[in-house]
Amino acid sequence: DAGVTQSPTHLIKTRGQQVTLRCSPKSGHDTVSWYQQALGQGPQFIFQYYEEEERQRGNFPDRFSGHQFPNYSSELNVNALLLGDSALYLCASSILGRYEQYFGPGTRLTVT
Amino acid sequence: DAKTTQPPSMDCAEGRAANLPCNHSTISGNEYVYWYRQIHSQGPQYIIHGLKNNETNEMASLIITEDRKSSTLILPHATLRDTAVYYCIVRVAENNAGNMLTFGGGTRLMVKP
Repeated sequence: DAGVTQSPTHLIKTRGQQVTLRCSPKSGHDTVSWYQQALGQGPQFIFQYYEEEERQRGNFPDRFSGHQFPNYSSELNVNALLLGDSALYLCASSILGRYEQYFGPGTRLTVT
Repeated sequence: DAKTTQPPSMDCAEGRAANLPCNHSTISGNEYVYWYRQIHSQGPQYIIHGLKNNETNEMASLIITEDRKSSTLILPHATLRDTAVYYCIVRVAENNAGNMLTFGGGTRLMVKP
């Protein structure tokens, strides 16, 4: 049984560019959450998707948007990249409502 | 959500038990204690959760005080691979409105040979 997978593993972008990160949830899971983790800090919740809709959102600007597909996979899009967006982006999947979340290995985004 | 307090760092000798404390004095009656850990450069990993009874699984044991204001995660025989940041999180068990996790600073456990 495959766990949560994310792509790409690493990414380097320039300020002002746009980026799309991808996540495939663990088999049987219907909910996908995205977190941002800056160096030396704990993960910060960005938003969560269920049934292709955003159900909950953290304190992140509208530059951060997402999508969930019918097969439960998800994308995180970030527009107009800033240097401060450099971080590890983590995807977590779960069954709706449960706090036992399973995290992927993350995508390391560097903005130069 | 109840706030949690953890020591920023701890050391443990390999093969010995690692006891990681967490204070959550404002915990509500329907809130569970969850533990996650994050090994360097990996995503967080769910370890265990409990309400008021002690819990044990293949990874760890969770001891919750009778007043539920604090808990201890126990790794019975720590190995070098248990070196990680351990996060204690308090939330209701299920919430169909959303189940975001709020991570604090955690405890950085260093297991030494």
